[in-house]
Amino acid sequence: QVQLVQSGAEVKKPGASVKISCKASGYTFTSNYIDWARQAPGQGLEWMAMINPGGGRAIYAPKFQGRVILTSDTSASTVYMDLSSLTSNDTAVYYCGRTRSNSWFEATDYWGQGTLVTVSS
Amino acid sequence: DIVMTQSPDSLAVSLGERATINCKSSRSVLYSSNNKNDLAWYQQKPGQPPRLLIYWASTRESGVPDRFSGSGSGTDFTLTISGLQAEDVAVYYCQQCYTTPHTFGQGTKVEIK
Repeated sequence: QVQLVQSGAEVKKPGASVKISCKASGYTFTSNYIDWARQAPGQGLEWMAMINPGGGRAIYAPKFQGRVILTSDTSASTVYMDLSSLTSNDTAVYYCGRTRSNSWFEATDYWGQGTLVTVSS
Repeated sequence: DIVMTQSPDSLAVSLGERATINCKSSRSVLYSSNNKNDLAWYQQKPGQPPRLLIYWASTRESGVPDRFSGSGSGTDFTLTISGLQAEDVAVYYCQQCYTTPHTFGQGTKVEIK
């Protein structure tokens, strides 16, 4: 069955960076985009970026452009999200998800369990 | 960015009654290549990731009960829960995938009256 397993919770200081992994299994890793969204405590969902794991092409929301980098390791079926220059506003649960097909314009049909990132001095 | 606006922010519905959630996009999400609207609906329960319910505005995801249905076109969309069950208590989000960023609505909280 399709599974996306994310790395564990992180606590970071302001100005630091965090790298979260999303390991996929149960399907052909390069057949679907992986996207990322976050959810601040008590707030709604915010889409951040997506990547074609096979070709490595990434698309970033303008809000996060320059601060987020997505990379893919096809040998490990894993996508990584690197978020830099953290502030307290980045405290959130970060989710990775798989799009329904190999198209960037598809909805997300499977999600990881989420990774809590806490930014605090 | 396309702005997605949901209404209401919350609603309370009696068990077995209908719940209707609206979603309006700031511009059309009609995908010309297949004449379908690129709009999805998700359900999220506390402490859980979102769950895809509906995609292409009206196609139900596999395993989703048929009491959930999506409709609408262009800029105005609706998620209907026909016969609310206790397990449907959750926050519901619409999302457009027509263009990046794939923006979400602010969410609608559904409770039991």
